[in-house]
Amino acid sequence: EIVLTQSPVTLSLSPGERATLSCRASQSVSGSYLAWYQQKPGQAPRLLSYGASNRPTGIPDRFSGSGSGTDFTLTISRLEPEDFAVYYCQQYGSSPITFGQGTRLEIK
Amino acid sequence: EVQLVQSGAEVEKPGTTMKISCKVSGYTFTDFYVYWVQQAPGKGLEWMGVVDPEDGETIYAEKFQGRVTITADTSTDTAYVELSSLRSEDTAVYYCAIGSGAFLRYFETWGQGTLVTVSS
Repeated sequence: EIVLTQSPVTLSLSPGERATLSCRASQSVSGSYLAWYQQKPGQAPRLLSYGASNRPTGIPDRFSGSGSGTDFTLTISRLEPEDFAVYYCQQYGSSPITFGQGTRLEIK
Repeated sequence: EVQLVQSGAEVEKPGTTMKISCKVSGYTFTDFYVYWVQQAPGKGLEWMGVVDPEDGETIYAEKFQGRVTITADTSTDTAYVELSSLRSEDTAVYYCAIGSGAFLRYFETWGQGTLVTVSS
């Protein structure tokens, strides 16, 4: 099973700042099959990125994913008030599908 | 518009079996795999398993193997998850989600979640 470790656990930033979230895998993620999700309190997760760097239709371009192998990053170029939430990475390159433990992005 | 609408919150007793539904609309049911994800209170996301509505084939996560059953009813465009021998640790929100192309996939659209509370 691939274990995903996200860092930091909590990130405190102000609107307008740049956020960099990390996701490290215990072994190489096949095909860079790595996705990112945003979850707000009381809501279902929302897909932000897949295949390490692809953005679904409707996701603002301030969200960008990158990386390969065991190291992946989600960057939010300029934080908007609605971006403060919990972010999860997920690998789907091998079974079982696994998630990271999450990074909480909070307002400083 | 693609929508996944889940059944309402439930309270179950330990040792019993829960069954949650996920009714889909806005697309052809057999074109997407349906996944189930567990989220315990204040915790992260855990994949439980997946069903291919086309032929009913399933894959389950080892943690839930033997206790979980995922099915799909093409006559009603509804997927189900059953979890048996419930214990307090199964108290969680359960989400259905869909993905296409392969069993191992990212989740494009999610249901709203169903809270299951296991309590005597």
